[in-house]
Amino acid sequence: QKEVEQDPGPLSVPEGAIVSLNCTYSNSAFQYFMWYRQYSRKGPELLMYTYSSGNKEDGRFTAQVDKSSKYISLFIRDSQPSDSATYLCAMYPTNAGKSTFGDGTTLTVKP
Amino acid sequence: DGGITQSPKYLFRKEGQNVTLSCEQNLNHDAMYWYRQDPGQGLRLIYYSQIVNDFQKGDIAEGYSVSREKKESFPLTVTSAQKNPTAFYLCASRAGGVDEQYFGPGTRLTVT
Repeated sequence: QKEVEQDPGPLSVPEGAIVSLNCTYSNSAFQYFMWYRQYSRKGPELLMYTYSSGNKEDGRFTAQVDKSSKYISLFIRDSQPSDSATYLCAMYPTNAGKSTFGDGTTLTVKP
Repeated sequence: DGGITQSPKYLFRKEGQNVTLSCEQNLNHDAMYWYRQDPGQGLRLIYYSQIVNDFQKGDIAEGYSVSREKKESFPLTVTSAQKNPTAFYLCASRAGGVDEQYFGPGTRLTVT
């Protein structure tokens, strides 16, 4: 069983929809959580970085962490065609070193 | 501009040849990483280095080698021992501790 499981997708939504992207994890040592967006044939770019349980908002993006359930989510409000990309969750433990990534969810937002 | 550069963007090699992928960062980050990404899949860690002159194997190190002689540079060599080298290779760096990780633009390697 993988340490990090990400909803596989692909996901297709109409423009303006609210999108929910989710990851679960099994390693309780994970304390730091990141969401990356990756456009086709490009390197991933960091969207959100969170530590504590709860919500963190940045514009149309909200990252949610529930450590008790070992579950993280990324919400995108008012989705745009430019949000069409693969979204990767990543996490690592307090003693850092290396991150563990989900396999990614590919999102398409249709005009 | 601070960032991570990878060169070249596309690389073509014949089977049996070793090839070295470049990764340079001017962010003054201590830690650097190499990942491999295959179509429709997530990132798999090849090697990482947390300080100069030290590095550790990741999950799929067989057939690869690295060096970390300078803080800003972490080249990856794909050797002829790597059975399926065609992939998208990503380099990343992190300041250290619990900071977030930043990625370069990637190198797409095709071996025929």
